[in-house]
Amino acid sequence: DTAVSQTPKYLVTQMGNDKSIKCEQNLGHDTMYWYKQDSKKFLKIMFSYNNKELIINETVPNRFSPKSPDKAHLNLHINSLELGDSAVYFCASSYEEPRGRTNTEAFFGQGTRLTVV
Amino acid sequence: AQKITQTQPGMFVQEKEAVTLDCTYDTSDPSYGLFWYKQPSSGEMIFLIYQGSYDQQNATEGRYSLNFQKARKSANLVISASQLGDSAMYFCAMRADSGGYNKLIFGAGTRLAVHP
Repeated sequence: DTAVSQTPKYLVTQMGNDKSIKCEQNLGHDTMYWYKQDSKKFLKIMFSYNNKELIINETVPNRFSPKSPDKAHLNLHINSLELGDSAVYFCASSYEEPRGRTNTEAFFGQGTRLTVV
Repeated sequence: AQKITQTQPGMFVQEKEAVTLDCTYDTSDPSYGLFWYKQPSSGEMIFLIYQGSYDQQNATEGRYSLNFQKARKSANLVISASQLGDSAMYFCAMRADSGGYNKLIFGAGTRLAVHP
């Protein structure tokens, strides 16, 4: 049983297209995240949702729009893809109650390698 | 501002030897957690070990141990008896309580190569 699964694993698309990445977790976690890993392997948080509510929104272009239909799912939609969007996108989840706890590890999906050509 | 620094872009170690991967952090929050993750060439992120800011003892998980020096703000990962399968990227991360929700912030990573 995969704990955090994201699809697709690979995505190759042309500039200007719109694409979505889906993520699901079966761990019963209340918080989900999107991270971006660039070509230098640097990982940076993009968004975080807690119980379907957006709680962290880093300085990400508004072409990126996350959606959380329920606390087990967090999707990422990207409009008007640009070459610089090429990266690996990781979904992750964790259990945050009580709020602000610092001892909770995040579980990551396998990553989606997005290539914009 | 919260920050994680990993100063070793690459390290190599002989199989069966021990290796230390460095991590320093910066935060003004009194409560925080430090994590190490492993990313093999297959790409997944694997949680290895956790250390809390109030923990009195260094964390250990099998061959992994964390050398936590709070005054120096360092949280080095020690891998004992290295195996070929330990070759991977290793990321140090921190979660700090900002009075509400928090986030994991990552260092730049260290690429470890284990040689036979």
